Amino acid sequence: DTGVSQDPRHKITKRGQNVTFRCDPISEHNRLYWYRQTLGQGPEFLTYFQNEAQLEKSRLLSDRFSAERPKGSFSTLEIQRTEQGDSAMYLCASSFRGGLSDTQYFGPGTRLTVL
Amino acid sequence: DAKTTQPNSMESNEEEPVHLPCNHSTISGTDYIHWYRQLPSQGPEYVIHGLTSNVNNRMASLAIAEDRKSSTLILHRATLRDAAVYYCILNAGGTSYGKLTFGQGTILTVHP
Repeated sequence: DTGVSQDPRHKITKRGQNVTFRCDPISEHNRLYWYRQTLGQGPEFLTYFQNEAQLEKSRLLSDRFSAERPKGSFSTLEIQRTEQGDSAMYLCASSFRGGLSDTQYFGPGTRLTVL
Repeated sequence: DAKTTQPNSMESNEEEPVHLPCNHSTISGTDYIHWYRQLPSQGPEYVIHGLTSNVNNRMASLAIAEDRKSSTLILHRATLRDAAVYYCILNAGGTSYGKLTFGQGTILTVHP
């Protein structure tokens, strides 16, 4: 399968712990996006990369959230000092930005539960 | 971000056509209209997109009003696998392109 993969699929942690999620995009895609989705709501954009450059991070929810894409391939999203309000599904998507189309392909998500 | 308005829910019977409406009265000239859907326990899935002209693909058709202030996603023959949340999204042009702003979408229920 050559789709977007995310790891882990589920994460349970205690409040105050740090967590890191990984996203592996479709190999030829140069853009990578992170979204968060809470129950009953649509996904909420957090940040995105074009190759290794992070083009927007103003939508990251607080300074406890950070993302990297060090070699323009996989990406990680880290949440420091987790809070119960961070419990959500974290979705990654990738696309090839070229021309007029920017179809995003989403991964299955990482479900975070903060106790 | 330009906003879209969709009905909270719609119902259909299997093998019947489904028309999912979306209003986007504040759309700008460079906004693309994208539709994604999300099946239970999965990430969103691209369905179709367009700018001004009607579009068809293997999954659906997109009918765009002449003034572009509304659009309709058409599933020609609904199946049980089409039961999902359908999101209508305006994808802004320029440097904002790609930062999708999802609303709450329309929950489509398909009855056998």
